[in-house]
Amino acid sequence: QVQLQESGPGLVKPSETLSLTCSVSGGSINSYYWSWLRQPPGKGLEWIAYVHYSGNTNYNPSLKSRVTMSLDTSKNEFSLRLRSVTAADTAVYYCARRRDYHDEWGQGIMVIVSS
Amino acid sequence: DIQLTQSPSFLSASVGDRVTMTCRASQAISTFLAWYQQKPGRAPKLLIYAASTLQSGVPSRFSGSGSGTEFTLTISSLQPEDFATYYCQQLYNYTRTFGQGTRLEIK
Repeated sequence: QVQLQESGPGLVKPSETLSLTCSVSGGSINSYYWSWLRQPPGKGLEWIAYVHYSGNTNYNPSLKSRVTMSLDTSKNEFSLRLRSVTAADTAVYYCARRRDYHDEWGQGIMVIVSS
Repeated sequence: DIQLTQSPSFLSASVGDRVTMTCRASQAISTFLAWYQQKPGRAPKLLIYAASTLQSGVPSRFSGSGSGTEFTLTISSLQPEDFATYYCQQLYNYTRTFGQGTRLEIK
């Protein structure tokens, strides 16, 4: 069974760039789509971006100007970069496998934006 | 953008109860809808997709129905482990928006 694990800094300063990586084990990244989602404390879920193993990406229009997603098939992992962060970007960030739905999720990583 | 509105926002029920919650879409989405369960501090878990297809391993007491703009998630006999927050998600367009959630609490 595929497993996903997020990694990255838990604290980012305002105006800087948030960078996260999702490592995929138990299956190849060379199929399916892969997503990043987030959940601010006490709030609901928001899809951020997805990438296909072919390299095709798509972004939430509300975040598109600040987001880049990429994948590294040699390492079986994919990444998220979110630029110019503010306190509103404080959230638990999840990586997930995306079919039509999201059927496999990482455990999530809490990222706090604060100076 | 497709908006999803879940009702009620909070639901109080007892073990053994049958409960139903609703998700309404701002436009018709056929059966392109999924339901997730989330417990505190945990990632969401997929329960149902295509409005009514049970994900592998999910107990049969969970069921989904609906099409177009109105969808329901039903739990036929609540178990202690079912107390959680439930989210719907549209699968109709690429933005994959979620509803705001229904929190199911123990009465």
